[in-house]
Amino acid sequence: GAVVSQHPSWVICKSGTSVKIECRSLDFQATTMFWYRQFPKQSLMLMATSNEGSKATYEQGVEKDKFLINHASLTLSTLTVTSAHPEDSSFYICSARWSGYYNEQFFGPGTRLTVL
Amino acid sequence: GDSVTQMEGPVTLSEEAFLTINCTYTATGYPSLFWYVQYPGEGLQLLLKATKADDKGSNKGFEATYRKETTSFHLEKGSVQVSDSAVYFCALSDPGGADGLTFGKGTHLIIQP
Repeated sequence: GAVVSQHPSWVICKSGTSVKIECRSLDFQATTMFWYRQFPKQSLMLMATSNEGSKATYEQGVEKDKFLINHASLTLSTLTVTSAHPEDSSFYICSARWSGYYNEQFFGPGTRLTVL
Repeated sequence: GDSVTQMEGPVTLSEEAFLTINCTYTATGYPSLFWYVQYPGEGLQLLLKATKADDKGSNKGFEATYRKETTSFHLEKGSVQVSDSAVYFCALSDPGGADGLTFGKGTHLIIQP
């Protein structure tokens, strides 16, 4: 149990286009999902906290108009990178918090975004 | 703000060697502490955790003790295997787990047969 999926696993896009990444909790309901960004050989940096049915809370320095987050249901959160540029190329990882299991966070496998 | 510092890698050991990966933290209050492992091509998996001072987390032969006096949570294993090769992340969160995690940079562990 406690599986989190992400789709796509990798995506290549042209500069100026928008890319949507999905994060799903497959076998539990997650009122809270988190989005992280990981640069090569760097730590995971929390970008935003997504609560079902409400607006996401963004960390300082993260542009909310650039990284649109929607948490429409208890099993799905989406991250849309709008007007992507090469500097947005990164590894994006989501996690889902399961309140029924000690509030533990379960992580998705990540999405590799490359912007040309 | 909160931060986690862990030893940089890669760390290369021979099979059956003793492993220590150091982790120290800076946080207000009493955070929960975690070690996550990321195997090649897979997502992060929780390895072990501790939620209060002097707690010892353990799993799969790995152990870490929450030391508040030294603000540390070092990961240890008495005899590593090739299958332990992975990237290990130390992390902390608020006690209730409501907030996102603060991660260290990760330590790449390579075990040679």
